[in-house]
Amino acid sequence: QKEVEQDPGPLSVPEGAIVSLNCTYSNSAFQYFMWYRQYSRKGPELLMYTYSSGNKEDGRFTAQVDKSSKYISLFIRDSQPSDSATYLCAMSDYSNYQLIWGAGTKLIIKP
Amino acid sequence: DAGITQSPRYKITETGRQVTLMCHQTWSHSYMFWYRQDLGHGLRLIYYSAAADITDKGEVPDGYVVSRSKTENFPLTLESATRSQTSVYFCASSEASGAHRNEQFFGPGTRLTVL
Repeated sequence: QKEVEQDPGPLSVPEGAIVSLNCTYSNSAFQYFMWYRQYSRKGPELLMYTYSSGNKEDGRFTAQVDKSSKYISLFIRDSQPSDSATYLCAMSDYSNYQLIWGAGTKLIIKP
Repeated sequence: DAGITQSPRYKITETGRQVTLMCHQTWSHSYMFWYRQDLGHGLRLIYYSAAADITDKGEVPDGYVVSRSKTENFPLTLESATRSQTSVYFCASSEASGAHRNEQFFGPGTRLTVL
């Protein structure tokens, strides 16, 4: 079993829909949780960064961390075709600079 | 230019040849990483470096060699390329401390094909 599980998709939704992307993990020591967005033929770029539990909002994006369930989510409101990309979750514990990555979910927003 | 750059962006080589992929960052980040990304496997860590002259193996190091004589450069060498090393290679860097410790910044990638 992988340390981080993420459904690879693809997930296809109509423009304007609310999108929910999720990752589960097994290591209770993880404290830093990140969502990266990767457009086709580009490098990943950080979208959201969360330390420990709770919610964080940035514009149309909300990241949630539920450490008791070992579950993190990324919500995208009012989704746009430009949101079409692969979304990767990544996490680490306090002492380790390596990130543990999910496989990435390919998201397609249909106009 | 500021940021993290990789060269070449595209490379075609033949089995058995030595290939070196270059990575350069201008932020003076302590940590640097090499990943490969393949369909169905996501990002897999090949090697990483905590500082100049300090390197360590990641998940898939076999067939690769790295060095880091200067903080800003982290070249990756395929000593004798194999078809299984056909992949997209990403270099990344991160700070050792700060509000966003562990955040990794990625280069644009090198698309390598081994014939």
